[in-house]
Amino acid sequence: DIVMTQGALPNPVPSGESASITCQSSKSLLYSDGKTYLNWYLQRPGQSPQLLIYWMSTRASGVSDRFSGSGSGTDFTLKISRVEAEDVGVYYCQQFLEFPFTFGSGTKLEIK
Amino acid sequence: QVKLLQSGAALVKPGASVKMSCKASGYTFTDYWVSWVKQSHGKSLEWIGEIYPNSGATNFNEKFKGKATLTVDKSTSTAYMELSRLTSEDSAIYYCTRELTGKRYFDYWGQGVMVTVSS
Repeated sequence: DIVMTQGALPNPVPSGESASITCQSSKSLLYSDGKTYLNWYLQRPGQSPQLLIYWMSTRASGVSDRFSGSGSGTDFTLKISRVEAEDVGVYYCQQFLEFPFTFGSGTKLEIK
Repeated sequence: QVKLLQSGAALVKPGASVKMSCKASGYTFTDYWVSWVKQSHGKSLEWIGEIYPNSGATNFNEKFKGKATLTVDKSTSTAYMELSRLTSEDSAIYYCTRELTGKRYFDYWGQGVMVTVSS
């Protein structure tokens, strides 16, 4: 199985500052079609996960442009600019390259 | 609007089975794979498996083969997951989610079903 490893944040993050979350995969997620199958989700407290970024860098519909995704085949970053109270929750990266689809352990964001 | 409405919480005894549902609305049910994801208390997300309503084709995480059974009822746009031979390790929240064939991301999720296994 592809292992997804996420980094931690230096919580709490001051409101208005930027935060970057890292994710590393044990195998390149770059597929032969040129897409990198790495997704990011946010799970707010008490809620279901919601899609933020797909194919490593494409924002999902309705997602603020404060969220951006970047990376290579195995190393990825989710950047949140000007963090706000509504950004609080746990962020998960997920690979969709091959079965079984696997998620990282999650990165918690707290706001000061 | 797209909705995935899941059944209510379940309290079940060890060794028993539980069947939960995920009713889809607001889109063409047969165009999307439906996946099921497990979240143990305070932990990360585990992909259990997926089913394609149009054909009934399934794919599973090896870890959940023999544990989970996936079915659909196209007439009601509802997907089902049955978990068998329950133990305390199966106590968790279970989400259904969808993927448009070939897009490779989960864009909508159900609200989750909390399953508690206890005697």
